[in-house]
Amino acid sequence: EIVLTQSPGTLSLSPGERATLSCRASQSVNSIYLAWYQQKPGQAPRLLIYGASSRATGIPDRFSGSGSGTDFTLTISRLEPEDFAVYYCQGHGSPPHWTFGQGTKVEIK
Amino acid sequence: EVQLVESGGGLVQPGGSLRLSCAASGFTFGGYWMHWVRQAPGKGLVWVSRINSDGSDTIYADSVKGRFTISRDNAKNTVYLQMNSLRAEDTAVYSCSRGGDYHAFDLWGQGTMVTVSS
Repeated sequence: EIVLTQSPGTLSLSPGERATLSCRASQSVNSIYLAWYQQKPGQAPRLLIYGASSRATGIPDRFSGSGSGTDFTLTISRLEPEDFAVYYCQGHGSPPHWTFGQGTKVEIK
Repeated sequence: EVQLVESGGGLVQPGGSLRLSCAASGFTFGGYWMHWVRQAPGKGLVWVSRINSDGSDTIYADSVKGRFTISRDNAKNTVYLQMNSLRAEDTAVYSCSRGGDYHAFDLWGQGTMVTVSS
């Protein structure tokens, strides 16, 4: 079963700065099955990226995803005040299971 | 409006049972796989179970296998999670989600809290 490890645990940045979040898999993941979510306190998660690099409907283009194999990255080009939240990566592998990383909190510096 | 609304959570004693429901609206429910995902207080997201579009195939996380049962009623646009032999470690917010493209979860409900405590 795939284990996803996200780093860093917390990212302290200022609005306008660039955020780079990492997701590393314990074994190779088919990149089309790698997704990223944003979750704010008291809210449901929101799908940002699927297929490692495709933005979900309505997601601003400051969010981008990249990577393949075991290393994946979510980049927020310029942080807006509403982007401070927790971000999770998620993968799918064999046997059919869905796995989440432990999350990266992006906080205001 | 496209949405998922969960219900049925509450306080239950260890060893007890609870049945969660998730009502879907605004989309063709019978055309999608559905999942349950849980989140313990202050913790991350954990996938629990998946049911395919017609209900003929189900999969469970090892932690709930043999205790939880996922089902659906496409006529009622509802997915269920029957939880038996509940343990303290099952305490979490349980959310249903829609299976989207490439095994991503493209729609989420707000969740219902389940607390297992004596």
